[in-house]
Amino acid sequence: DGGITQSPKYLFRKEGQNVTLSCEQNLNHDAMYWYRQDPGQGLRLIYYSQIVNDFQKGDIAEGYSVSREKKESFPLTVTSAQKNPTAFYLCASSPGLAGGPFTDTQYFGPGTRLTVL
Amino acid sequence: AQSVSQHNHHVILSEAASLELGCNYSYGGTVNLFWYVQYPGQHLQLLLKYFSGDPLVKGIKGFEAEFIKSKFSFNLRKPSVQWSDTAEYFCAVNARSGAGSYQLTFGKGTKLSVIP
Repeated sequence: DGGITQSPKYLFRKEGQNVTLSCEQNLNHDAMYWYRQDPGQGLRLIYYSQIVNDFQKGDIAEGYSVSREKKESFPLTVTSAQKNPTAFYLCASSPGLAGGPFTDTQYFGPGTRLTVL
Repeated sequence: AQSVSQHNHHVILSEAASLELGCNYSYGGTVNLFWYVQYPGQHLQLLLKYFSGDPLVKGIKGFEAEFIKSKFSFNLRKPSVQWSDTAEYFCAVNARSGAGSYQLTFGKGTKLSVIP
């Protein structure tokens, strides 16, 4: 059963702690993305990766870090430098067509709701 | 900077009513356009997309959207909504910037509530 998995579904952390959100896909997609969704804000891009060992900052990368050591995995670390980390985080992937990133359909995971206390 | 506007934050309709959700974008170059939908408790998923060709595109579950380049719009329509269409709808626009990089921008979303 192909798809994107994100774990955990709910995550609670104390202020000042780093936390890593997991994202795994078995769709054999080249490109992966991390978005943040806040009520009334839509989706905002944090980071994206077009290929293993390469990633680019999105619109709101400050306070976040990523790695792409394997094609199927794209973990996101929310660092203590992120001023307002409480949010719903969505991971997505896409085949990665030659037309460039974001030109093809993205497939989304179920999301992780992070609450920082 | 590129922007995407969805005019309605929350739309409430009765079953069988017609639906039109507005989406306007600010970029003047070549664009790819998407509508995504998030049903309660489910993943965000693609509803339909426009890359080129016929500006009237059809998606899943009877939805369609029309790309009007002169109006920078990509409005979503459905002739007769059902209770199961209750969801949040997001318009997204992909465009190539002058520097050669791509950018995908989502609108803030429109919540649709359909009353049985």
